[in-house]
Amino acid sequence: DGGITQSPKYLFRKEGQNVTLSCEQNLNHDAMYWYRQDPGQGLRLIYYSQIVNDFQKGDIAEGYSVSREKKESFPLTVTSAQKNPTAFYLCASSIRRSSYNSPLHFGNGTRLTVT
Amino acid sequence: DAKTTQPTSMDCAEGRAANLPCNHSTISGNEYVYWYRQIHSQGPQYIIHGLKNNETNEMASLIITEDRKSSTLILPHATLRDTAVYYCIVRVEKGSNYKLTFGKGTLLTVNP
Repeated sequence: DGGITQSPKYLFRKEGQNVTLSCEQNLNHDAMYWYRQDPGQGLRLIYYSQIVNDFQKGDIAEGYSVSREKKESFPLTVTSAQKNPTAFYLCASSIRRSSYNSPLHFGNGTRLTVT
Repeated sequence: DAKTTQPTSMDCAEGRAANLPCNHSTISGNEYVYWYRQIHSQGPQYIIHGLKNNETNEMASLIITEDRKSSTLILPHATLRDTAVYYCIVRVEKGSNYKLTFGKGTLLTVNP
């Protein structure tokens, strides 16, 4: 079945360590996104990519980095510069670039806890 | 950025219709309205989207006002499994790119 796979589901790290969250899709989608969700909050956009080798900062990009070397992969690195990294991270993709008619498909998230 | 406003929470009796409102008064003429829902600790699930006309699929109906400043998501026969946070969002264009901005959504609780 096609879909978006985020791994791992739960991740624990010590403060000061960088950590990379995986996101893979086999939907052949052009665009991919990373969102962060805190308890009781909506989703906030971290980074998004419309095409391979290109990505844009979202609303809360500070302390995060991404790469888009392959169409199906969009890993997110949470660096030690991120002040409050503990959160639920969601990856999404959509079928068309610059299209007004393409729903997002989400993975099931990675819950990161930094102590 | 085009923003949406939704009630924080709503209740609905099982088997009855759930009507979830959304205001998007700054929506642009070519921006679609999307609805998603999120069950606790899972990724959001796409429900429906529309531009001008009312839309219906196997999950829900979407009613968009003529001036497009608001919309209503209708779950015709709510079940306990429909308890979730429902997000109404619009696309935001930024140059040649676009992004989807989520608010806090409406927590719909379906009661037995």
